[in-house]
Amino acid sequence: DTAVSQTPKYLVTQMGNDKSIKCEQNLGHDTMYWYKQDSKKFLKIMFSYNNKELIINETVPNRFSPKSPDKAHLNLHINSLELGDSAVYFCASSLRLAANNEQFFGPGTRLTVL
Amino acid sequence: AQSVTQLDSHVSVSEGTPVLLRCNYSSSYSPSLFWYVQHPNKGLQLLLKYTSAATLVKGINGFEAEFKKSETSFHLTKPSAHMSDAAEYFCVVSFAGGTSYGKLTFGQGTILTVHP
Repeated sequence: DTAVSQTPKYLVTQMGNDKSIKCEQNLGHDTMYWYKQDSKKFLKIMFSYNNKELIINETVPNRFSPKSPDKAHLNLHINSLELGDSAVYFCASSLRLAANNEQFFGPGTRLTVL
Repeated sequence: AQSVTQLDSHVSVSEGTPVLLRCNYSSSYSPSLFWYVQHPNKGLQLLLKYTSAATLVKGINGFEAEFKKSETSFHLTKPSAHMSDAAEYFCVVSFAGGTSYGKLTFGQGTILTVHP
């Protein structure tokens, strides 16, 4: 069974559209994250949730809205997509919100905005 | 504030020769440090982590790293490279204090190429 899964794997859409990416973890972890990897492969955290509560919001535009219906799911909804949103988005989870906890990453969703 | 710098964007080695990927960090608090590997079009996999126990950390696939507080370094090494080691490697520091507790800060990545 996949530990952290994301859907879809690829997403191609037009500017101005609204899209969602789903993430699920079956590890029983309390904490989940969204990261953005740009075209230069630089990875930056966007959000973290602990027990469905928002912990970190790294000055991401409010067009991005994460939603955590339960501890096992953290979805990312993006409104009014822009060219600069094209990137690979990774979901991750960790057992707890702790600095020394390993984070387990999903396979990524490659978003292309045309 | 915390930051991490990977000193080489590309490293090229021959199969069977040693690998050294360099990483320096800065952190206002006691850091937790990680090395992750990303194979092409794949997610990230943890190689090893340092969390204030032994300074020499052994990871998967024969990799190890040494935490040197005096040099603020956490270099990744492997005695003998294998073709399957070709990938991008990320040094990562985790914040152990403040309002961004548990936040991972990634280095810029080092692409490792292994020649036959």
